[in-house]
Amino acid sequence: AQKVTQAQTEISVVEKEDVTLDCVYETRDTTYYLFWYKQPPSGELVFLIRRNSFDEQNEISGRYSWNFQKSTSSFNFTITASQVVDSAVYFCALSDSYGGSQGNLIFGKGTKLSVKP
Amino acid sequence: DTGVSQNPRHKITKRGQNVTFRCDPISEHNRLYWYRQTLGQGPEFLTYFQNEAQLEKSRLLSDRFSAERPKGSFSTLEIQRTEQGDSAMYLCASSRGKSEAFFGQGTRLTVV
Repeated sequence: AQKVTQAQTEISVVEKEDVTLDCVYETRDTTYYLFWYKQPPSGELVFLIRRNSFDEQNEISGRYSWNFQKSTSSFNFTITASQVVDSAVYFCALSDSYGGSQGNLIFGKGTKLSVKP
Repeated sequence: DTGVSQNPRHKITKRGQNVTFRCDPISEHNRLYWYRQTLGQGPEFLTYFQNEAQLEKSRLLSDRFSAERPKGSFSTLEIQRTEQGDSAMYLCASSRGKSEAFFGQGTRLTVV
């Protein structure tokens, strides 16, 4: 069965600190996709990144970076120099049949990040 | 087109009543998804359409739930004989082919 675990329920940091959100996944498939979404208080899930299981290169986008390690089944997300606007719930998700007839995402329970000024 | 649109944003209903939610996906997105999110949890998949065809339904989608996408554009999700356990945020998302899914702001249902 597929499963996504986000062990950190809540994290609180002070502005400008770096913060890493952990994500561990389980799947028996060799082809799968991993995602991160941000959910601000308004409720809308905002897409951040998608990676496929064959691409283990780390990615950086501005202050955001992602570390994908198949050996540990982890897909961690780091925010550098955090800002108050980064405060939100962050979800990691897994899709094992992307592009096929199935399209559902399996989400973790989320990590609530609070960035204080 | 500014994104996935869901109506209403909030719905309060009495137990036993029927409710219907609407989702308008991003134009030309052929795939549409419904998810349910309860407090403190991640979204859970309910059902999925490719054009007008409903291709997958979760076990969470009991007989009281029905979803349609009659012309492959907007979709409706109906809950009959609502129960207090149905209280949740109902999220709709759409995607074009193999692209990432974009979510709406959701409909928050409260059953009293």
